[in-house]
Amino acid sequence: DTAVSQTPKYLVTQMGNDKSIKCEQNLGHDTMYWYKQDSKKFLKIMFSYNNKELIINETVPNRFSPKSPDKAHLNLHINSLELGDSAVYFCASSQDRRQGNTGELFFGEGSRLTVL
Amino acid sequence: GNSVTQMEGPVTLSEEAFLTINCTYTATGYPSLFWYVQYPGEGLQLLLKATKADDKGSNKGFEATYRKETTSFHLEKGSVQVSDSAVYFCALRKSGGSYIPTFGRGTSLIVHP
Repeated sequence: DTAVSQTPKYLVTQMGNDKSIKCEQNLGHDTMYWYKQDSKKFLKIMFSYNNKELIINETVPNRFSPKSPDKAHLNLHINSLELGDSAVYFCASSQDRRQGNTGELFFGEGSRLTVL
Repeated sequence: GNSVTQMEGPVTLSEEAFLTINCTYTATGYPSLFWYVQYPGEGLQLLLKATKADDKGSNKGFEATYRKETTSFHLEKGSVQVSDSAVYFCALRKSGGSYIPTFGRGTSLIVHP
Protein backbone atom coordinates (compact mmCIF):
# COMPACT_ATOMS: atom_id res chain seq x y z
CA ASP A 1 0.00 0.00 0.00
CA THR A 2 1.76 3.11 -1.24
CA ALA A 3 1.32 6.02 1.15
CA VAL A 4 1.85 8.83 -1.39
CA SER A 5 1.47 7.90 -5.03
CA GLN A 6 2.06 10.01 -8.11
CA THR A 7 1.21 9.40 -11.74
CA PRO A 8 2.71 9.37 -14.24
CA LYS A 9 6.23 8.46 -13.19
CA TYR A 10 7.63 9.68 -16.51
CA LEU A 11 6.21 12.33 -18.81
CA VAL A 12 7.74 13.45 -22.10
CA THR A 13 6.02 16.24 -23.99
CA GLN A 14 6.50 19.09 -26.40
CA MET A 15 6.95 22.74 -25.55
CA GLY A 16 3.66 24.61 -25.38
CA ASN A 17 1.59 21.62 -24.30
CA ASP A 18 -0.53 21.41 -21.15
CA LYS A 19 -0.04 18.50 -18.78
CA SER A 20 -1.12 17.27 -15.36
CA ILE A 21 0.48 15.18 -12.65
CA LYS A 22 -1.77 13.45 -10.14
CA CYS A 23 -1.04 12.81 -6.48
CA GLU A 24 -2.95 10.81 -3.91
CA GLN A 25 -2.18 10.08 -0.26
CA ASN A 26 -3.85 7.44 1.91
CA LEU A 27 -2.34 8.56 5.22
CA GLY A 28 -5.21 10.77 6.28
CA HIS A 29 -2.91 13.81 6.29
CA ASP A 30 -4.36 17.25 6.00
CA THR A 31 -1.52 19.07 4.27
CA MET A 32 -0.07 18.30 0.84
CA TYR A 33 2.81 19.82 -1.09
CA TRP A 34 4.40 20.00 -4.50
CA TYR A 35 8.18 20.30 -4.83
CA LYS A 36 10.35 20.74 -7.91
CA GLN A 37 13.78 19.10 -7.88
CA ASP A 38 16.33 20.31 -10.41
CA SER A 39 19.27 18.43 -11.90
CA LYS A 40 21.46 19.45 -8.93
CA LYS A 41 18.95 17.86 -6.54
CA PHE A 42 17.86 21.23 -5.13
CA LEU A 43 14.30 21.04 -3.76
CA LYS A 44 12.06 24.03 -4.34
CA ILE A 45 8.67 24.28 -2.66
CA MET A 46 5.97 25.18 -5.15
CA PHE A 47 2.73 24.87 -3.19
CA SER A 48 1.47 23.93 0.21
CA TYR A 49 -2.23 23.19 0.58
CA ASN A 50 -4.64 22.09 3.25
CA ASN A 51 -8.36 22.46 3.70
CA LYS A 52 -7.94 25.98 4.87
CA GLU A 53 -5.30 27.64 2.81
CA LEU A 54 -3.20 27.49 -0.29
CA ILE A 55 0.30 28.85 0.07
CA ILE A 56 1.96 29.62 -3.21
CA ASN A 57 5.67 30.21 -3.61
CA GLU A 58 5.68 33.61 -5.25
CA THR A 59 8.46 32.60 -7.62
CA VAL A 60 6.31 29.89 -9.23
CA PRO A 61 4.93 31.00 -12.62
CA ASN A 62 1.16 31.18 -12.82
CA ARG A 63 1.30 28.53 -15.56
CA PHE A 64 1.47 26.11 -12.62
CA SER A 65 -1.72 25.54 -10.65
CA PRO A 66 -2.64 23.04 -7.95
CA LYS A 67 -6.08 21.50 -7.89
CA SER A 68 -7.42 19.58 -4.93
CA PRO A 69 -10.69 17.71 -5.49
CA ASP A 70 -10.56 16.42 -1.91
CA LYS A 71 -8.28 16.14 1.08
CA ALA A 72 -6.48 13.07 -0.26
CA HIS A 73 -5.58 14.47 -3.68
CA LEU A 74 -3.50 17.37 -4.91
CA ASN A 75 -2.94 17.47 -8.65
CA LEU A 76 -0.51 19.73 -10.48
CA HIS A 77 -1.54 21.35 -13.76
CA ILE A 78 1.02 22.99 -15.99
CA ASN A 79 0.04 25.14 -18.96
CA SER A 80 2.21 26.16 -21.91
CA LEU A 81 5.16 23.99 -20.93
CA GLU A 82 8.65 25.43 -21.34
CA LEU A 83 12.06 23.77 -21.61
CA GLY A 84 12.95 25.01 -18.12
CA ASP A 85 10.06 23.09 -16.63
CA SER A 86 11.99 19.85 -17.16
CA ALA A 87 12.62 18.45 -13.68
CA VAL A 88 11.42 15.86 -11.20
CA TYR A 89 8.27 16.89 -9.38
CA PHE A 90 7.56 15.46 -5.95
CA CYS A 91 4.30 15.36 -4.10
CA ALA A 92 4.40 15.09 -0.31
CA SER A 93 2.02 15.11 2.62
CA SER A 94 2.19 15.72 6.35
CA GLN A 95 -0.01 15.99 9.38
CA ASP A 96 -0.62 19.45 10.77
CA ARG A 97 1.85 20.10 13.60
CA ARG A 98 -0.87 21.68 15.70
CA GLN A 99 -2.12 18.18 16.36
CA GLY A 100 0.95 17.38 18.44
CA ASN A 101 3.05 15.50 15.91
CA THR A 102 6.46 16.48 14.56
CA GLY A 103 5.21 17.06 11.04
CA GLU A 104 7.61 14.98 8.98
CA LEU A 105 6.88 14.76 5.28
CA PHE A 106 6.02 11.64 3.33
CA PHE A 107 7.08 11.84 -0.30
CA GLY A 108 5.91 10.20 -3.46
CA GLU A 109 8.42 8.60 -5.82
CA GLY A 110 8.49 11.57 -8.13
CA SER A 111 7.37 12.35 -11.68
CA ARG A 112 10.12 13.08 -14.17
CA LEU A 113 8.96 15.66 -16.69
CA THR A 114 10.94 16.17 -19.88
CA VAL A 115 9.97 19.02 -22.18
CA LEU A 116 11.33 18.81 -25.73
CA GLY B 1 13.49 33.76 7.75
CA ASN B 2 14.37 30.13 8.28
CA SER B 3 17.33 28.57 6.52
CA VAL B 4 19.34 25.35 6.49
CA THR B 5 22.95 25.13 5.35
CA GLN B 6 24.57 21.84 4.46
CA MET B 7 28.10 21.04 3.42
CA GLU B 8 28.51 20.79 -0.31
CA GLY B 9 29.09 17.43 -1.87
CA PRO B 10 29.79 15.07 -3.21
CA VAL B 11 31.28 13.34 -0.21
CA THR B 12 33.27 10.34 -1.40
CA LEU B 13 34.27 7.64 1.09
CA SER B 14 35.52 4.09 1.14
CA GLU B 15 33.37 1.41 2.70
CA GLU B 16 33.62 1.29 6.52
CA ALA B 17 34.84 4.89 6.75
CA PHE B 18 33.37 7.37 9.26
CA LEU B 19 30.82 9.80 7.89
CA THR B 20 29.96 13.33 8.98
CA ILE B 21 27.66 15.61 7.02
CA ASN B 22 27.41 19.05 8.57
CA CYS B 23 24.13 20.90 8.90
CA THR B 24 23.47 24.25 10.56
CA TYR B 25 20.23 26.14 10.72
CA THR B 26 18.73 29.56 11.34
CA ALA B 27 15.28 29.77 12.89
CA THR B 28 13.45 31.48 15.70
CA GLY B 29 11.99 29.41 18.48
CA TYR B 30 12.40 25.67 18.71
CA PRO B 31 12.03 23.96 15.36
CA SER B 32 12.02 20.22 14.82
CA LEU B 33 15.00 18.98 12.82
CA PHE B 34 15.11 16.18 10.28
CA TRP B 35 17.40 14.24 8.02
CA TYR B 36 15.89 12.81 4.87
CA VAL B 37 17.59 10.40 2.47
CA GLN B 38 16.97 10.07 -1.26
CA TYR B 39 18.22 6.89 -2.90
CA PRO B 40 18.75 6.96 -6.69
CA GLY B 41 15.48 7.11 -8.59
CA GLU B 42 13.36 7.39 -5.47
CA GLY B 43 11.59 10.01 -3.41
CA LEU B 44 12.85 11.36 -0.11
CA GLN B 45 12.22 9.36 3.02
CA LEU B 46 12.69 10.30 6.63
CA LEU B 47 15.96 9.00 8.08
CA LEU B 48 15.81 10.46 11.58
CA LYS B 49 14.48 13.41 13.53
CA ALA B 50 14.84 15.35 16.78
CA THR B 51 12.26 17.65 18.28
CA LYS B 52 14.06 19.48 21.08
CA ALA B 53 17.50 20.54 22.22
CA ASP B 54 19.91 17.72 23.10
CA ASP B 55 17.64 15.09 21.54
CA LYS B 56 19.51 12.48 19.53
CA GLY B 57 17.81 10.97 16.50
CA SER B 58 19.07 7.62 15.24
CA ASN B 59 18.19 5.09 12.57
CA LYS B 60 20.06 2.50 10.46
CA GLY B 61 23.34 3.33 12.23
CA PHE B 62 23.01 7.06 11.53
CA GLU B 63 22.84 9.58 14.36
CA ALA B 64 22.36 13.31 14.75
CA THR B 65 22.12 15.44 17.90
CA TYR B 66 20.07 18.64 18.14
CA ARG B 67 22.55 21.27 19.34
CA LYS B 68 20.77 24.52 20.06
CA GLU B 69 23.88 26.32 21.28
CA THR B 70 25.60 25.81 17.92
CA THR B 71 22.35 25.60 15.88
CA SER B 72 23.59 22.38 14.33
CA PHE B 73 22.30 18.90 13.51
CA HIS B 74 25.26 17.06 12.02
CA LEU B 75 24.68 13.59 10.59
CA GLU B 76 27.14 10.85 11.54
CA LYS B 77 27.67 7.17 10.88
CA GLY B 78 30.53 5.11 12.20
CA SER B 79 30.96 2.76 9.25
CA VAL B 80 29.35 3.48 5.90
CA GLN B 81 28.32 0.88 3.36
CA VAL B 82 28.01 1.05 -0.42
CA SER B 83 24.23 0.90 0.06
CA ASP B 84 24.37 4.24 1.93
CA SER B 85 25.19 6.02 -1.33
CA ALA B 86 22.41 8.58 -1.67
CA VAL B 87 21.60 12.26 -1.32
CA TYR B 88 21.01 13.45 2.25
CA PHE B 89 18.85 16.45 3.09
CA CYS B 90 18.77 18.34 6.37
CA ALA B 91 15.47 20.09 7.12
CA LEU B 92 13.65 22.01 9.80
CA ARG B 93 10.06 22.70 10.59
CA LYS B 94 8.89 25.26 13.09
CA SER B 95 6.57 24.31 15.88
CA GLY B 96 2.94 25.34 15.80
CA GLY B 97 0.80 25.88 12.76
CA SER B 98 1.28 24.36 9.33
CA TYR B 99 4.63 25.91 8.51
CA ILE B 100 6.25 24.82 5.29
CA PRO B 101 9.42 22.79 5.99
CA THR B 102 12.76 24.31 5.01
CA PHE B 103 15.25 22.02 3.28
CA GLY B 104 18.99 22.28 2.78
CA ARG B 105 20.44 21.87 -0.70
CA GLY B 106 21.30 18.21 -0.16
CA THR B 107 24.65 16.44 0.11
CA SER B 108 25.50 13.58 -2.22
CA LEU B 109 27.33 10.66 -0.59
CA ILE B 110 29.24 8.17 -2.73
CA VAL B 111 30.65 5.09 -1.01
CA HIS B 112 33.17 2.95 -2.88
CA PRO B 113 33.78 -0.75 -2.12
